[in-house]
Amino acid sequence: QSALTQPASVSGSLGQSITISCTGTSSDIGGYNYVSWFQQHPGKAPKLIIYDVHTRPSGISDRFSGSKSGNTASLTISGIQAEDEADYYCNSYTSTNIVVVFGGGTKLTVL
Amino acid sequence: EVQLVESGGGLVQPGGSLRLSCVASGFDFSNFEMNWVRQAPGKGLEWVSYISSVSGSKIYYADSVKGRFTISRDNAKNTLYLQMDSLRGEDTAIYYCARAMRYWGQGTLVTVSS
Repeated sequence: QSALTQPASVSGSLGQSITISCTGTSSDIGGYNYVSWFQQHPGKAPKLIIYDVHTRPSGISDRFSGSKSGNTASLTISGIQAEDEADYYCNSYTSTNIVVVFGGGTKLTVL
Repeated sequence: EVQLVESGGGLVQPGGSLRLSCVASGFDFSNFEMNWVRQAPGKGLEWVSYISSVSGSKIYYADSVKGRFTISRDNAKNTLYLQMDSLRGEDTAIYYCARAMRYWGQGTLVTVSS
């Protein structure tokens, strides 16, 4: 069982906006601004798309945005495109005896 | 360009050992913390281990591998290692090295089976 909780799947039509949630506790998401999001296409390595809750690495589209409220972080993809169909994972620093925890992943289907 | 290239994966029997390597290029390897992350077939990402920059004095492991896996680094060779002992079927996964979770290698597959 993953330490962070994500919905198993979300879907949206081309051009719509979707939001993926990632719920943790005060020991991880709620306690630190160190939430990251990763995109993974089948057979590929994960790709960092958001770090420190809402910062995009260079080269990442501004259609991707991150936020946090309490123990829940969110990834919003606006104007979804066919190439956005992928698995998305959140992670967070944690104050427990492990350094990093991941969410279970969310499969985005573009209709 | 930052590059991370893993190697050392393969088929190993339960109870066996493997050593994974991750050769880094395109950046000053010694100055960056590194991680190993794995992904079992059809499953999600699982953080495995962390080593701090420079001396590597801070090391952490996931509970699932603690006491069986050992992370290390050789800054002179720009290489990160993961020594995996007492391997189990549930260790079967693609193993990725990652520079502070920002840059990832393509992974190396470890299969533990008799």
